[in-house]
Amino acid sequence: DAGVTQSPTHLIKTRGQQVTLRCSPKSGHDTVSWYQQALGQGPQFIFQYYEEEERQRGNFPDRFSGHQFPNYSSELNVNALLLGDSALYLCASSFNPSGGDTQYFGPGTRLTVL
Amino acid sequence: DAKTTQPPSMDCAEGRAANLPCNHSTISGNEYVYWYRQIHSQGPQYIIHGLKNNETNEMASLIITEDRKSSTLILPHATLRDTAVYYCIVYNAGNNRKLIWGLGTSLAVNP
Repeated sequence: DAGVTQSPTHLIKTRGQQVTLRCSPKSGHDTVSWYQQALGQGPQFIFQYYEEEERQRGNFPDRFSGHQFPNYSSELNVNALLLGDSALYLCASSFNPSGGDTQYFGPGTRLTVL
Repeated sequence: DAKTTQPPSMDCAEGRAANLPCNHSTISGNEYVYWYRQIHSQGPQYIIHGLKNNETNEMASLIITEDRKSSTLILPHATLRDTAVYYCIVYNAGNNRKLIWGLGTSLAVNP
């Protein structure tokens, strides 16, 4: 049973560019959450997708957007990249019938903005 | 802000039990205590969670005080591979499904 997978593993971009990160959830999971983790900090919640809609959003600007596909996979898009967007981006999946859902994480995508 | 307080670092001898404390004095009745760990630059790994009762799985045991204001994660026989940052998180699976992370405890298991 494959766990949560993310691609790419590493990515280098320059300021002002746009980036798309991808996530495939664990088999049987229907909910995907995205987190940003700066060096030395705990992860920060970006947003969560369920039934192809953004269900909840953290304190991130509109430059951060996402999408969930019918197969439950998800993308995170970041426009107009800033140096401060350099971080480890984590995807977590869960199964959400009515709550009590444990989130399982992928290995992350390391984004470096130059 | 995170609803938990953890010591920034701890040491443990290999083969001994590692007891990691966590304070969550403002926890609500429907909030769970979750523990994750993160080995350097990898994705967080789920360890265990509980609501009121003590829990045990193949990785660890979770002891929650009766008033639920604190908990302890126990790794019964720590190995060098258990060296990681351990995060204690109070999680509301109802209204607020996001995990709010603090800085965790950096556990060093020494040979």
